[in-house]
Amino acid sequence: DTGVSQDPRHKITKRGQNVTFRCDPISEHNRLYWYRQTLGQGPEFLTYFQNEAQLEKSRLLSDRFSAERPKGSFSTLEIQRTEQGDSAMYLCASSRARGYYGYTFGSGTRLTVV
Amino acid sequence: KQEVTQIPAALSVPEGENLVLNCSFTDSAIYNLQWFRQDPGKGLTSLLLIQSSQREQTSGRLNASLDKSSGRSTLYIAASQPGDSATYLCAVRIPGNQFYFGTGTSLTVIP
Repeated sequence: DTGVSQDPRHKITKRGQNVTFRCDPISEHNRLYWYRQTLGQGPEFLTYFQNEAQLEKSRLLSDRFSAERPKGSFSTLEIQRTEQGDSAMYLCASSRARGYYGYTFGSGTRLTVV
Repeated sequence: KQEVTQIPAALSVPEGENLVLNCSFTDSAIYNLQWFRQDPGKGLTSLLLIQSSQREQTSGRLNASLDKSSGRSTLYIAASQPGDSATYLCAVRIPGNQFYFGTGTSLTVIP
């Protein structure tokens, strides 16, 4: 169990640029989740995958956001035409499918849009 | 929609004190409840996971209880240490498999 890995740890980008984040879940976890956390708030759900299928998307996930999980392994979260309001910590978590399992989170990617 | 509330928002205690953090949720139809710790600028570290059928879980100096019918959980920290200073978040897992998080309690343990 090597934990959930996220890359990069920090990203500073200019408004209007595209950014992509990567998450590598725990290998035996077939569910992968993306959350966003702003300062002083709890994490908010964005989307989740079971294997390669994206099963749910939050209304927070605007058309500028897209997530993929090819082959059911790692996942990428892309934000196009970034805005200052996208500045946040983006957290990835993985879990086994059954409801009684908990989540394991990665260390997050801190995005700053200037 | 599930709403999770944590009280207090911030807490400052002298080293060695025992303390209780509170978490309440509005919908009792949960799979489980998980307590996390978050250090500034970092990700979340899982502390304790309580299934909906359980009443409490213990790990070292930490004890978490769950009263599903009343929508409440507590995290008890015994003999607090400065290294316990962090933000503590509770999250409930609901059918449909999302977690809903509270806004956290920021704990400072003063040496």
